[in-house]
Amino acid sequence: NAGVTQTPKFQVLKTGQSMTLQCAQDMNHEYMSWYRQDPGMGLRLIHYSVGAGITDQGEVPNGYNVSRSTTEDFPLRLLSAAPSQTSVYFCASSYSRGRPHNEQFFGPGTRLTVL
Amino acid sequence: DAKTTQPPSMDCAEGRAANLPCNHSTISGNEYVYWYRQIHSQGPQYIIHGLKNNETNEMASLIITEDRKSSTLILPHATLRDTAVYYCIVSKAAGNKLTFGGGTRVLVKP
Repeated sequence: NAGVTQTPKFQVLKTGQSMTLQCAQDMNHEYMSWYRQDPGMGLRLIHYSVGAGITDQGEVPNGYNVSRSTTEDFPLRLLSAAPSQTSVYFCASSYSRGRPHNEQFFGPGTRLTVL
Repeated sequence: DAKTTQPPSMDCAEGRAANLPCNHSTISGNEYVYWYRQIHSQGPQYIIHGLKNNETNEMASLIITEDRKSSTLILPHATLRDTAVYYCIVSKAAGNKLTFGGGTRVLVKP
């Protein structure tokens, strides 16, 4: 299994540009989520999904859209990039049904710079 | 989810046990204690979790006080590769939403 994969690894955008960060997992996990991590800080939840067709907002959803058309993929869209969105973005997945705990598997991250 | 408090940093000698404390005084009865670590700039890695009993796996041991208001993660024989930021997180089992604080930056020294 490849686990959780993210593309691209690095990206530089200009203010106002849009782009999509890709996330895929091959573990048949129902739950997927996006976090951002600013320098020297902990991770903050942006959006999450408990299954195909179901998404919800996390702690810092403004400026981002998500969709979950398949179990495997959970793309994150930046609508109009701003310098405040310069961050490292992590995607994670886990089982959400029938399991007593919440072990999340994280991808390697996408490092985004908005100029 | 309950909030956690961890020391910002600690050093540990290679080969010795590293004891990482965490306070979670507002934890509720259905919340678990999770530990994750983040090595350099990689994605966080799950270490261990527990509800009220002590737990052990191949990576670490988790000691939870009887009143559940604090816990300690123990790395029994720290290696240089254990240098990382360690996050203590309290979350409901089915919540799937992790709230990361600042964590403890652990430096294992030779």
